[in-house]
Amino acid sequence: KAGVTQTPRYLIKTRGQQVTLSCSPISGHRSVSWYQQTPGQGLQFLFEYFSETQRNKGNFPGRFSGRQFSNSRSEMNVSTLELGDSALYLCASQPGTTPSTGTGELFFGEGSRLTVL
Amino acid sequence: KNQVEQSPQSLIILEGKNCTLQCNYTVSPFSNLRWYKQDTGRGPVSLTIMTFSENTKSNGRYTATLDADTKQSSLHITASQLSDSASYICVVSGGGSYIPTFGRGTSLIVHP
Repeated sequence: KAGVTQTPRYLIKTRGQQVTLSCSPISGHRSVSWYQQTPGQGLQFLFEYFSETQRNKGNFPGRFSGRQFSNSRSEMNVSTLELGDSALYLCASQPGTTPSTGTGELFFGEGSRLTVL
Repeated sequence: KNQVEQSPQSLIILEGKNCTLQCNYTVSPFSNLRWYKQDTGRGPVSLTIMTFSENTKSNGRYTATLDADTKQSSLHITASQLSDSASYICVVSGGGSYIPTFGRGTSLIVHP
């Protein structure tokens, strides 16, 4: 069974540009969540999607957005990049067919490492 | 406010030695607690899950404990190996939120 796939794995952008990251969840998983990981802050929750609907959103500016498609694949977009956006962006999927209390195991991808120059 | 605090922030040990990582949380009501291992450049992988009624759970050389009364958990690694070098993240579910609360992790380095 294939795991969570994130693309691209590495990318370099300059300030002011925008970036789109992609995540393909484990087959059958309908919940996809995104996280930003930096050495100083650890894992910070960005948002979570279930059946194409954003169910939860973390405390990030509106420059961070996402969406989920009917096949559960998800994308996140960061516009007007800032130096502080340099981080590892992780995507995770969860099994389950209905919204739950979020007690399930998160299955993470390898991440997309973004460097903003 | 739901919080998860981990200690120590970093730890260096010699191969073959044991070590214990700590996790204190304020998440309430408590649902479950997971320990994740994250190798450098990789995504986190779940090691164990602890529910309210469980005190101890083992996964090979990894043993997790939970004291729900004091809201503390520990992860004990026995006979460490070089491959144990990683970040260990404590994640607590509950607190009325669908999204779990993450600790900042403990960075473990095992030297030969």
